[in-house]
Amino acid sequence: DVVMTQSPLSLPVTLGQPASISCRSSQSLVHSDGNTYLNWFQQRPGQSPRRLIYKVSIRDSGVPDRFGGSGSGTDFTLKISRVEAEDVGVYYCMQGTHWPFTFGPGTKVDIK
Amino acid sequence: EVQLVESGGGLVQPGGSLRLSCAASGFTFSTYWMSWVRQAPGKGLEWVANIKQDGTEKYYVDSVKGRFTISRDNAKNSLYLQLNSLRAEDTAVYYCARGGYSSVTFWSQGALVTVSS
Repeated sequence: DVVMTQSPLSLPVTLGQPASISCRSSQSLVHSDGNTYLNWFQQRPGQSPRRLIYKVSIRDSGVPDRFGGSGSGTDFTLKISRVEAEDVGVYYCMQGTHWPFTFGPGTKVDIK
Repeated sequence: EVQLVESGGGLVQPGGSLRLSCAASGFTFSTYWMSWVRQAPGKGLEWVANIKQDGTEKYYVDSVKGRFTISRDNAKNSLYLQLNSLRAEDTAVYYCARGGYSSVTFWSQGALVTVSS
């Protein structure tokens, strides 16, 4: 199975400051169809997960543009340009290229 | 409005069975892959199974193969997960999710399954 790792696992941030989460996969996430199926999910406390980003960098409808995804191959990053209070939660990267699909362990973002 | 409403969670003894149901509305159910994803208490997310639009393709994570069965009824806009031979490590919140070819786009509220004697 593809192992997804994230760093850091805990990220205290100051409101209005940027934040960055790294995600690495144990093998390339480039699919045979040419797409890279790397997704980012946000899970706020007590809520179900919500997808923010798919195919590395495409934001879902309604996702604020302060969220941005980048990367290729095995190295990916989620950046929040200016953290707001509503961004508190756990962020998961997830690969949808190789079955079984797998998630990273999650990065807990909270406010300093 | 897209809605996925689950039912069927609860407490079951080790070795027992349970059936989760997920009623979909607000979108054309028959045109989407569908999936089940679980989250053990205080833990991360684990993909369990997914099923193609017409039910002809199904995939399972190794830890549930031979014990869990995913199915769907497009006429009833419903997704199911039959859980057999349950173990303590299957204790989790089970989410029904829209999608599953390479990602999921919408999640249910989740149903807690507790396996304990």
